[in-house]
Amino acid sequence: QKEVEQNSGPLSVPEGAIASLNCTYSDRGSQSFFWYRQYSGKSPELIMFIYSNGDKEDGRFTAQLNKASQYVSLLIRDSQPSDSATYLCAVDTGGFKTIFGAGTRLFVKA
Amino acid sequence: DARVTQTPRDKVTEMGQEVTMRCQPILGHNTVFWYRQTMMQGLELLAYFRNRAPLDDSGMPKDRFSAEMPDATLATLKIQPSEPRDSAVYFCASGLSGGNPEQFFGPGTRLTVL
Repeated sequence: QKEVEQNSGPLSVPEGAIASLNCTYSDRGSQSFFWYRQYSGKSPELIMFIYSNGDKEDGRFTAQLNKASQYVSLLIRDSQPSDSATYLCAVDTGGFKTIFGAGTRLFVKA
Repeated sequence: DARVTQTPRDKVTEMGQEVTMRCQPILGHNTVFWYRQTMMQGLELLAYFRNRAPLDDSGMPKDRFSAEMPDATLATLKIQPSEPRDSAVYFCASGLSGGNPEQFFGPGTRLTVL
């Protein structure tokens, strides 16, 4: 079992819809959780991080964390074609050591 | 503006040759990471350093890979000898432990071993 699991997709949503991306992790001691976005041929860039159970909102993005279920999600509201990318879930297992999931490819259709 | 730089951006080499990749972290960052990304395995952590000291290199094949930080402005990843299965994009990232948890990625080195 991989430490951080994501559905590889592709996930296809129409423009203006909500895109929902999910991630599970295996290390119960993990404290910090991240969502990175990676455009094709580019390097990953941080969208959001979350430490506490519940929701964290930043503009059109909402990260949700449920430590009991070892589950992290990212919601993108009002999806735009420019949101089309691969979204990487990442987990800090301690001491800044970060494990990435394989990523979910998102396509937003205009 | 501050950014992580990596050289070379692209490298094509033949099996058995030595490859050295270089990274300049963002000034003031005390943690440097090396990752490898392939379609099959995704983004894998190879090694990381804090204050130039190696903290974890368990993700790195020890027999052929080595990572060092000769000084605070330079990190190197060396493969000797290289093999076709080493073909991947190698990313360096830097961050500030105890501060902003974000890792800032460099543009990557695309390595092709023939």
